[in-house]
Amino acid sequence: AQSVSQHNHHVILSEAASLELGCNYSYGGTVNLFWYVQYPGQHLQLLLKYFSGDPLVKGIKGFEAEFIKSKFSFNLRKPSVQWSDTAEYFCAVRPQTGANNLFFGTGTRLTVIP
Amino acid sequence: KAGVTQTPRYLIKTRGQQVTLSCSPISGHRSVSWYQQTPGQGLQFLFEYFSETQRNKGNFPGRFSGRQFSNSRSEMNVSTLELGDSALYLCASSRGTGVQETQYFGPGTRLLVL
Repeated sequence: AQSVSQHNHHVILSEAASLELGCNYSYGGTVNLFWYVQYPGQHLQLLLKYFSGDPLVKGIKGFEAEFIKSKFSFNLRKPSVQWSDTAEYFCAVRPQTGANNLFFGTGTRLTVIP
Repeated sequence: KAGVTQTPRYLIKTRGQQVTLSCSPISGHRSVSWYQQTPGQGLQFLFEYFSETQRNKGNFPGRFSGRQFSNSRSEMNVSTLELGDSALYLCASSRGTGVQETQYFGPGTRLLVL
């Protein structure tokens, strides 16, 4: 069965620190990969996505992620976080089987201290 | 363009009752997926509808059902509610069901079962 692991449950950083959130998945076939963010009191929003091509994808608000196929990983990065980045971050995988359902990780809560 | 809307936003029910939740997708989107979000299990896929047909179903009991109307609006129903059904129910829409599709999420309906 497909699974998505986000090993960091809660990350606390000071403003201007660099961020890297890990995401690993288990699925042997081709996948689409997504990072969603849920700001406090708001709904899930798409940060970035990978379908094919350049494994380094850039998203909104300065976020980027790198797909490393050999490691089944899709880690999220940001060089310098801001207080407004405080949120919960979810990695999601969709196997390219024709079904449109996403498999989500358990989420990583990021707290940025001003 | 208006986003995905869900009604009601909050709901309190008692065990044994049934509940119907509604989702209106983004204009032009024909696929609607439903997810359940709980602190213990995270985000889990319930089912997906496209052109009024259920295309895919997650691993939930038959008490959870849904339907989609000709205008792409969707409803999900939970019968014989249990305490464990307390959750945030999220609806997501996409234009279609192809591999390049991205799902956009609504604000969710928070259901509390007493």
